[in-house]
Amino acid sequence: EVQLVESGGGLVKPGGSLRLSCAASGFTFSSYSMNWVRQAPGKGLEWVSSISGISSDIYYADSLKGRFTISRDNAKNSLYLQMNSLRAEDTAVYYCARGGSYYGYWGQGTLVTVSS
Amino acid sequence: EVVMTQSPATLSVSPGERATLSCRASQTVSSNLAWYQQKPAQAPRLLIYGASTRATGIPARFSGSGSGTEFTLTISSLQSEDFAVYYCQQYNNWPRNTFGQGTKLEIK
Repeated sequence: EVQLVESGGGLVKPGGSLRLSCAASGFTFSSYSMNWVRQAPGKGLEWVSSISGISSDIYYADSLKGRFTISRDNAKNSLYLQMNSLRAEDTAVYYCARGGSYYGYWGQGTLVTVSS
Repeated sequence: EVVMTQSPATLSVSPGERATLSCRASQTVSSNLAWYQQKPAQAPRLLIYGASTRATGIPARFSGSGSGTEFTLTISSLQSEDFAVYYCQQYNNWPRNTFGQGTKLEIK
């Protein structure tokens, strides 16, 4: 069974940093591109970042302006999102999702709240 | 950026009736269109990909159609568990996938 479990969310002050993790199981992790998608409270879904299976291709939403860094450790079956210079508008549930096109599997999400 | 527009924003339908949800792309996305269902406090669940292919385990009452810029999700006979928010997503421009703003399907 495919499982994706996010962790690392929490309350952080504006300008602070946070590192999210996504633990994957039930499939050959290195064979799949992985993604981060976020959802602000009461809002729709927004793609954040994607990384190919061997980390050769990395992409970010233009709106992030270089503040976030995606990475993965295939030996640990884990996906990461390092978030720096956090702003109030980054407040959202962050989901990891599997897929190099549509997203066939999603984690349950981790809430990031940016507030003073 | 490909802008996805869903209509209506809210759809009120009685159980057992048919629901038709629409999604329009600002430019052609071929058949690279997916639909997701999201219930409160849950992650989205993939329903349809390739505009018309049901994902594993999705009941036959869910069907998708369309290509290019106009797409439709039809739920043939609504069950209580189908009341949720539905999102369309284009992946023709992967990885820069974009979602519609969602249609809330509520009980009439």
